Amino acid sequence: DAKTTQPNSMESNEEEPVHLPCNHSTISGTDYIHWYRQLPSQGPEYVIHGLTSNVNNRMASLAIAEDRKSSTLILHRATLRDAAVYYCILRGQIQGAQKLVFGQGTRLTINP
Amino acid sequence: GAGVSQSPRYKVTKRGQDVALRCDPISGHVSLYWYRQALGQGPEFLTYFNYEAQQDKSGLPNDRFSAERPEGSISTLTIQRTEQRDSAMYRCASSSSPLRGGKYNEQFFGPGTRLTVL
Repeated sequence: DAKTTQPNSMESNEEEPVHLPCNHSTISGTDYIHWYRQLPSQGPEYVIHGLTSNVNNRMASLAIAEDRKSSTLILHRATLRDAAVYYCILRGQIQGAQKLVFGQGTRLTINP
Repeated sequence: GAGVSQSPRYKVTKRGQDVALRCDPISGHVSLYWYRQALGQGPEFLTYFNYEAQQDKSGLPNDRFSAERPEGSISTLTIQRTEQRDSAMYRCASSSSPLRGGKYNEQFFGPGTRLTVL
């Protein structure tokens, strides 16, 4: 499985934008970039995913570098509820690649 | 609608006992996954099913661990002769279908079963 590298922790203030980086220099051409987050005492939840183009949804935006070797999850206006561990995960398209391979993730702290 | 449910939520057992952890996926979801999560770590894949067929069990640590999904809905993860190192949060997830135009559907996670082996 291709690996991702994320900072162990980040801190931001409420109502400010947050940019969470992820490096994936060994990504293959068919790997999708997925982000999940895990709120305290809960199971992981899906945030967003993309392949090449930038993606937006109601939760966040995903900016993907042109060479696809890195990506950034953007929370446009952080709230206290966004404090969580954020995981950047690569998922292939071949049968058998359905499992999620979680790394350490980035622990995001939001200051009021 | 109802999400993924798991039971029991907490299980305390003595070393050497067998335990069975149950997962009830979202109704109609084809794929079901089991993960294990140690404190402070990300979830670690154990095994998954499409319908009743076990597709990948490469993450099961040893032959004391087994899983089944006989009717393609509820799944049971069984740990025989439990050891203290088996203590962890066991999480189940489900997704609606294995493939959708080459893209994989999101996985919905349950609340987990906290297993403590004394």
